[in-house]
Amino acid sequence: DAGVIQSPRHEVTEMGQEVTLRCKPISGHNSLFWYRQTMMRGLELLIYFNNNVPIDDSGMPEDRFSAKMPNASFSTLKIQPSEPRDSAVYFCASSSGGTQYFGPGTRLLVL
Amino acid sequence: GENVEQHPSTLSVQEGDSAVIKCTYSDSASNYFPWYKQELGKRPQLIIDIRSNVGEKKDQRIAVTLNKTAKHFSLHITETQPEDSAVYFCAANDRGSTLGRLYFGRGTQLTVWP
Repeated sequence: DAGVIQSPRHEVTEMGQEVTLRCKPISGHNSLFWYRQTMMRGLELLIYFNNNVPIDDSGMPEDRFSAKMPNASFSTLKIQPSEPRDSAVYFCASSSGGTQYFGPGTRLLVL
Repeated sequence: GENVEQHPSTLSVQEGDSAVIKCTYSDSASNYFPWYKQELGKRPQLIIDIRSNVGEKKDQRIAVTLNKTAKHFSLHITETQPEDSAVYFCAANDRGSTLGRLYFGRGTQLTVWP
C-alpha cells in the first residue's frame, strides 16, 4: 500500500497566485481530511469528506479556500488568491472510520 | 464538539527516564483515543491507540491509560531514547461517530537528552 499521496511536496508562489494541492487517499478509505499546520495555530482541521461528500468545512479560513473531492481517489485544496499568511504545511489524511493516516504534507510558502 | 486539552506543552527528560503526557477530553461519547508522533519535518504517525472498552494498552516501551470516569488519558514512555524526541499529539474521536473525525490536542514537544 502506497499510503496517502500528496503533491506537490513543496510549493513556493507569489502573493495573489492560485495554489492547488492534491491528495490521493488510501484505497478503500471513505473519509478524507485536510489539515493545516503552523507553529502558531498547531494542527487545524480545514474540511473533511465522507464518501466524497463534504461534511464539515467550518475550518476553512475564508472564501479564498475551496476543496473538492470528485471521486473516491482524488481531492484538491485550492487557495485563490494566495496570501503570505497561508504559508504552512498542509496535510491530507484518510481513514475508514478510525485511525487517520497522514500524507507527507505540502510545504507552502507564499512570498 | 469535542475539546481535547494536552499537557505539558514541552517536556525534557534524561535518556533512560520515563515521560508522561496527559490529555483530557470533554465528550463522554468519545470512544477512540489515538496518539501520534511527529518528527521534525515529517508527518504525524500513529504510535498507539486505545478504545474505551479497555483501561490500558502496552506496546514495548509505550503504554496508554484511559480513565473514562475522569475523561482523561495518558501516554507513558519508559526507558526514553534520543530518537523518542518529537512532538506527540493526543486525539479523541467525534462522539463515537463512524465518520472518523478526530479532535487533536495542541501537542507536546518531547526532548530526550543523551
